[in-house]
Amino acid sequence: GIQVEQSPPDLILQEGANSTLRCNFSDSVNNLQWFHQNPWGQLINLFYIPSGTKQNGRLSATTVATERYSLLYISSSQTTDSGVYFCAVELSWSDGQNFVFGPGTRLSVLP
Amino acid sequence: NAGVMQNPRHLVRRRGQEARLRCSPMKGHSHVYWYRQLPEEGLKFMVYLQKENIIDESGMPKERFSAEFPKEGPSILRIQQVVRGDSAAYFCASSPRQGPALTQYFGPGTRLTVL
Repeated sequence: GIQVEQSPPDLILQEGANSTLRCNFSDSVNNLQWFHQNPWGQLINLFYIPSGTKQNGRLSATTVATERYSLLYISSSQTTDSGVYFCAVELSWSDGQNFVFGPGTRLSVLP
Repeated sequence: NAGVMQNPRHLVRRRGQEARLRCSPMKGHSHVYWYRQLPEEGLKFMVYLQKENIIDESGMPKERFSAEFPKEGPSILRIQQVVRGDSAAYFCASSPRQGPALTQYFGPGTRLTVL
């Protein structure tokens, strides 16, 4: 099956710093989403980004589908950005249309 | 427009009991997905359902687990004779229809603890 890798596994930042999180996947995908799981366990949709670049405030994401990776950029990080960031890829919809999640990047932003 | 609702948010069961987890999809969504997240791990797909149909249950354990999405009412994930290893967060997600490249919207999860 498809492999989804994320790096780095853990990241500690000082408030105000910038960071880049990476997601690599081993096969062609129809969809890719980035999620933030906050310290209370809630999953929050960040981006639906099968290709191209999107921006939302301090966050932006880029997916290069032909090279099978996606990047999530966090600028001017805040303590509320702490949590786990997951990328999830959707396989061909004829194969069941479920998401395969990466292992996550655990981000801690220190005040 | 309410999001995906799950209840209960926390469930404690003793070994051997049954656990019933409920998921109400977003209004207008007819497709539901269940995922399990073990502690310190990512989410793993379990089952994908449409109203009155199981579309893909390839991620479901063969025994003790079942899921349904009736014509009326929420989707139910049922775990019989729970064991300690079933302790996890169970998330459901919904989408409006079948097809490529649709966003899935996730509920807040049910945290199951088996004593």
